[in-house]
Amino acid sequence: DSGVTQTPKHLITATGQRVTLRCSPRSGDLSVYWYQQSLDQGLQFLIQYYNGEERAKGNILERFSAQQFPDLHSELNLSSLELGDSALYFCASSVWREPGDTQYFGPGTRLTVL
Amino acid sequence: ILNVEQSPQSLHVQEGDSTNFTCSFPSSNFYALHWYRWETAKSPEALFVMTLNGDEKKKGRISATLNTKEGYSYLYIKGSQPEDSATYLCAFITGTASKLTFGTGTRLQVTL
Repeated sequence: DSGVTQTPKHLITATGQRVTLRCSPRSGDLSVYWYQQSLDQGLQFLIQYYNGEERAKGNILERFSAQQFPDLHSELNLSSLELGDSALYFCASSVWREPGDTQYFGPGTRLTVL
Repeated sequence: ILNVEQSPQSLHVQEGDSTNFTCSFPSSNFYALHWYRWETAKSPEALFVMTLNGDEKKKGRISATLNTKEGYSYLYIKGSQPEDSATYLCAFITGTASKLTFGTGTRLQVTL
């Protein structure tokens, strides 16, 4: 158990809908990262927040957005969902914001878009 | 576009065998290399973060080396056990970006 929690574990929804994935980092960690794992691709970095502010952005679609709240939990919002958004979404956290920091991964949320 | 390549794609060894896999990454603007172990139905687990050329890290039977000048890292497993069966991922990061670029992994299966 990494100490990172994600909810829900599974999510099934329809195309065009909007969903919110939630992540609570390890106690004391200030950075939160979001990753997407699709069937035919490796882990893709989406976005990083550090202490409430966006720190780095990866291959995140405009239909997706994220934020980190004062209590450091983070939410990833996915809207106008398409079939291709079906994937495993991981959240990870680290103590600081530096690229060399070890990242601890949560159990993931499996999103299925029908 | 940064390319991180891992080889082999999959590996099947017998219990007790020692094995190694390779992670290749761009050698310019290197900042850090991460190794993760990912078991089926679980989340990736951090093994090592390597930052210095020539660095060698060890955790039990697993060790890793790093060559930043030529752009590769090796992961070694000594005396493989069935519980070592997992996908081993490396992830590269440059000094100009904070994002990890992951390889597609080496899937290791250890049988009795």
